[in-house]
Amino acid sequence: GENVEQHPSTLSVQEGDSAVIKCTYSDSASNYFPWYKQELGKGPQLIIDIRSNVGEKKDQRIAVTLNKTAKHFSLHITETQPEDSAVYFCAASKGNTPLVFGKGTRLSVIA
Amino acid sequence: GAVVSQHPSRVICKSGTSVKIECRSLDFQATTMFWYRQFPKKSLMLMATSNEGSKATYEQGVEKDKFLINHASLTLSTLTVTSAHPEDSSFYICSARNSQINYGYTFGSGTRLTVV
Repeated sequence: GENVEQHPSTLSVQEGDSAVIKCTYSDSASNYFPWYKQELGKGPQLIIDIRSNVGEKKDQRIAVTLNKTAKHFSLHITETQPEDSAVYFCAASKGNTPLVFGKGTRLSVIA
Repeated sequence: GAVVSQHPSRVICKSGTSVKIECRSLDFQATTMFWYRQFPKKSLMLMATSNEGSKATYEQGVEKDKFLINHASLTLSTLTVTSAHPEDSSFYICSARNSQINYGYTFGSGTRLTVV
């Protein structure tokens, strides 16, 4: 089955700097790669996603890149703000199968 | 946008009792819903896949008799933790897949279960 590895497990950045979180997946048939933000005591919130027919997607300060050949995808957050502090999860699926999650990255943005 | 309502958000129960958690898709039909369990500072672990009108598919190691799942309608799935024990204390999260949209997964806000 699918296995998703996520790095780093913790990340601290200064406010205004960029943050990058990387994930790799094992199943070449996976074609959907969402990123979720989870705040303490709450469910995951989708922040951006990408499908396998696209190499990059951007939404304001957030971008995701996908390298299908290498089977890895990354989340980029620019101009970080304290409210970006949370746990971020990457995930992968074949579109109609359950999402398989990475282990999460705890991002701390220091003001 | 798609909204999934999960209730209760927090519940405390005594050992040996049962607790039911509801997951409702408010503005879309969900033929498939997923139940996850999350331990503190850990990732989401899939427990089972629930399909409307049929039996749930449980992941390896998840006791189907302890975690009863019912998906009786296109908008409601329930998870019942039976004969709860302190080790069942956890954060439970449901996710509903929008049948009409490819790749449409929406998560509930989670239920914090504490068994005392």
